This record gives sequence, C-alpha cells and structure tokens, in this order.
Amino acid sequence: EDQVTQSPEALRLQEGESSSLNCSYTVSGLRGLFWYRQDPGKGPEFLFTLYSAGEEKEKERLKATLTKKESFLHITAPKPEDSATYLCAATQGGSEKLVFGKGTKLTVNP
Amino acid sequence: NAGVTQTPKFQVLKTGQSMTLQCAQDMNHNSMYWYRQDPGMGLRLIYYSASEGTTDKGEVPNGYNVSRLNKREFSLRLESAAPSQTSVYFCAVGDSGANVLTFGAGSRLTVL
Repeated sequence: EDQVTQSPEALRLQEGESSSLNCSYTVSGLRGLFWYRQDPGKGPEFLFTLYSAGEEKEKERLKATLTKKESFLHITAPKPEDSATYLCAATQGGSEKLVFGKGTKLTVNP
Repeated sequence: NAGVTQTPKFQVLKTGQSMTLQCAQDMNHNSMYWYRQDPGMGLRLIYYSASEGTTDKGEVPNGYNVSRLNKREFSLRLESAAPSQTSVYFCAVGDSGANVLTFGAGSRLTVL
C-alpha cells in the first residue's frame, strides 16, 4: 500500500532558527513528490514538485530535496509568516491520485 | 479568475439528511477531485474524475456519490448524512498527468 509519512507532527521554532521537515514515502514507481502549504481555514497551496532523486527546488526561505526514500523541506532563517501546516504528497506513474501525508504544523515565534 | 469555487462554505445537517457540495472551476483542467480532511488523518481522497464523463473511487468513497456534470463542475452528494461525515471537504483540480493540484477554500460540514 502506498504510504506517505511526515515527521515531526508539530515543530516550534524561534524566528531565524533553521530546521528541516521530513517526508518518507513508500510508493512504487514514484512519478512525483509534492509539497503544499496550508494556512488555517484555507485550502492547500502548491509549493514544489520533485521528480527524481537528487533534485532540489528553492523558493525564498524554503528548499525541497528528494532521495529515493524521502524528501526534506529545509527552512532557512524562518519568519513568523512561515507558520503553517506543510503537506507532502506522492503519486505513482500512470495514476491520477495523490497520496497525502498527515502534515507537519510549523509555528515560528517572533 | 476565481480558480476553484466551492459552495456552500458551511453547512449543518441532521443525521439522515441529504445534501450536495458543489465545485466549479474556471481553469480548464481535466481532472477534478474531492478530498476530506479530518484532524490527525490528513487529506483523504473520496472520489476523482480524470475527465468529463468519468469518475473513480478514492480511498474513502462509502456514503458518497459524485457527478461530473461537465468539464467545469464536479459535485459530491451525501444521500443520508452520518456524524462520521463531519469534516472539511476540499475540491481540487489539476491538469491530467501533472498532479499539481489547485484547491478550493473548503466546505465545513457538521452532521448532528
């Protein structure tokens, strides 16, 4: 069964304190690994897609990386506005379905 | 552009009542999805439609029906609501094969 597991469930950081979120997946024939951001009371918003091991994508203070078993979302010098729930999702070749992890709730204190 | 519009935003039902959640898109995408999100459970796929005229079950389809009315609209129906269907429901759309989804703002449903 395809699974996506995220850790930690929740993470509290001080402003400027860098850290990483983890997403491990067991999806045969991975086609894509996706990161989304979700603010309270809103729908998830797309951040990145990674397709192959070794690939990296960056956007402002966020950098996503991918290995054969897991993906990391690195947050460098976070700000309070980075507080949100970050969701990881995976899909396999030939499938129209995304399997989501349960998310990591990030809180950045000023 | 509105993107993905869900109605209603909030709804309270009594057990056994029926209702339909509506989703409309103006992005001209082929694929449309219905997810539910519950605390501690993450997003779970209920049904999806890869193109107009087709629908397929996702992870948790029991108690739900869907209709892909045309390319723009995808509705989710609860025939006889149960308290276990209390959740936040999200509609999403995506280009076929791309899987980059755009989500609506969500519909919060409470079943008493």
